[in-house]
Amino acid sequence: QVRLVESGGGVVQPGTSQRLSCAASGFSFSTYGMHWVRQAPGKGLEWVAVIAFDGSNKYHADSVKGRFTISRDNSKNTLYLQMNNLSPDDTAVYYCAKVLVDGDWVPFGSWGQGTLVTVSS
Amino acid sequence: SYELTQPPSVSVSPGQTASITCSGDKLGDRYASWYQQKPGQSPILVIYRDTKRPSGIPERFSGSNSGNTATLTIGATQAVDEADYYCQAWASSTAVFGGGTKLTV
Repeated sequence: QVRLVESGGGVVQPGTSQRLSCAASGFSFSTYGMHWVRQAPGKGLEWVAVIAFDGSNKYHADSVKGRFTISRDNSKNTLYLQMNNLSPDDTAVYYCAKVLVDGDWVPFGSWGQGTLVTVSS
Repeated sequence: SYELTQPPSVSVSPGQTASITCSGDKLGDRYASWYQQKPGQSPILVIYRDTKRPSGIPERFSGSNSGNTATLTIGATQAVDEADYYCQAWASSTAVFGGGTKLTV
C-alpha cells in the first residue's frame, strides 16, 4: 500500500534553512504529482507546493514563494522541500501528499504522518 | 487569491444528518474535495470530484457542489465521525483549503 514517510523536521533558528524529505513506497512514484501541505499548531491546513510527476512543473503558495522550493528525485522515490530564510510563521507540521490519480493535480489521495518544524530562537 | 469559507463548527446528534458547507466564488465550476482529520492524525480524503467516495469511505458520506457552495453530508452520523473537516479546490495553479469545520457529534 501507499507509504509516505517525512523526515527532516526539528527546531531551527529564524533565518536559517532546512530541507525536508518524503520517502515514498508502495506505488509508482514517478507517475504521480506530489504536494507539501502544512498545518501550524492548532490551525487549519495550508497548501505549500506541488510538483508534477516528472518535475517539469512546480507551483508554490504565495506565502513561501521565493523561499521554499519543491523538488523530487524519481530514482530515489523521494520528494523534497528546501526551506530557506525560515521565520516563526513557518512553524508547522509538514505533510507530503500524493495525488489520487496520475495526471491530476488534486485531490490529495494519500498523506504522510507529517514532520514538525519549529522555528524559534 | 481564491478563498473558501466554512463554518467553524457544526453540531449534530448521533444518528442524524450533518451538513457542512464550503463557499467560494463560482465554486460549482470547480471540483471540490473534502478531508477528515481527527486529533493527532493526518487528514484523509472522504469526497473528491464533488461527489465521489474513495474506496473504504462509508456510504454515509456524500457530497454536492453547485453555484457558490459545496456541501459535505454525513448521514446517520456516528460518534466516530467527530473530527475536523476541510474542503479544498484547485484554482489558478494553487490548491486552496477552507478554514475547516469542527464537527461535534
